Amino acid sequence: EAGVVQSPRYKIIEKKQPVAFWCNPISGHNTLYWYLQNLGQGPELLIRYENEEAVDDSQLPKDRFSAERLKGVDSTLKIQPAELGDSAVYLCASSQGQASDGELFFGEGSRLTVL
Amino acid sequence: AQRVTQPEKLLSVFKGAPVELKCNYSYSGSPELFWYVQYSRQRLQLLLRHISRESIKGFTADLNKGETSFHLKKPFAQEEDSAMYYCALRKSGGSNYKLTFGKGTLLTVNP
Repeated sequence: EAGVVQSPRYKIIEKKQPVAFWCNPISGHNTLYWYLQNLGQGPELLIRYENEEAVDDSQLPKDRFSAERLKGVDSTLKIQPAELGDSAVYLCASSQGQASDGELFFGEGSRLTVL
Repeated sequence: AQRVTQPEKLLSVFKGAPVELKCNYSYSGSPELFWYVQYSRQRLQLLLRHISRESIKGFTADLNKGETSFHLKKPFAQEEDSAMYYCALRKSGGSNYKLTFGKGTLLTVNP
């Protein structure tokens, strides 16, 4: 089992450019999360999906961020246009159902640097 | 609003010494507390949850509702315990399963 797979692992772009991150959750996990982790901070939830439905996107800056999970499996997170302050690690996680036991399975993260 | 505070960004101990990583929380309802750990070059993973009242890798944590704390303890630290530790909280039951993380404590166990 590969666990949660994210790509790319690292991305360097100039400000105002678009960027997209991809996540493949653990097979059978219907709940998928995108977290933002700034340097020196803990992860902060951006959006949570149950199957293909975004059930909590209150923390997603919708002016420049978008996400989709069209078939209820893989997900993409997009930023357009990127700003300097978007430099961070973007973590994807998945869980069985609503994680009644509190266990989220995280990917290795996608580290974004905006120049 | 729910908040998790880990007052120590860095904690350094010697091998064999006791270690305590502090976690305080702010939440008006009944919380569930967790400790997540990230070892070097590995992904973030669950270490333990308060409802299980279990010991994992020698670590224990007791939820103290009076002091709103959930400190992580180990009587004899090992070098392999060196990692980043995050305390996390969520509402007990209900439909809100949002985990709120603290800023983390980097534990270094010296030989």
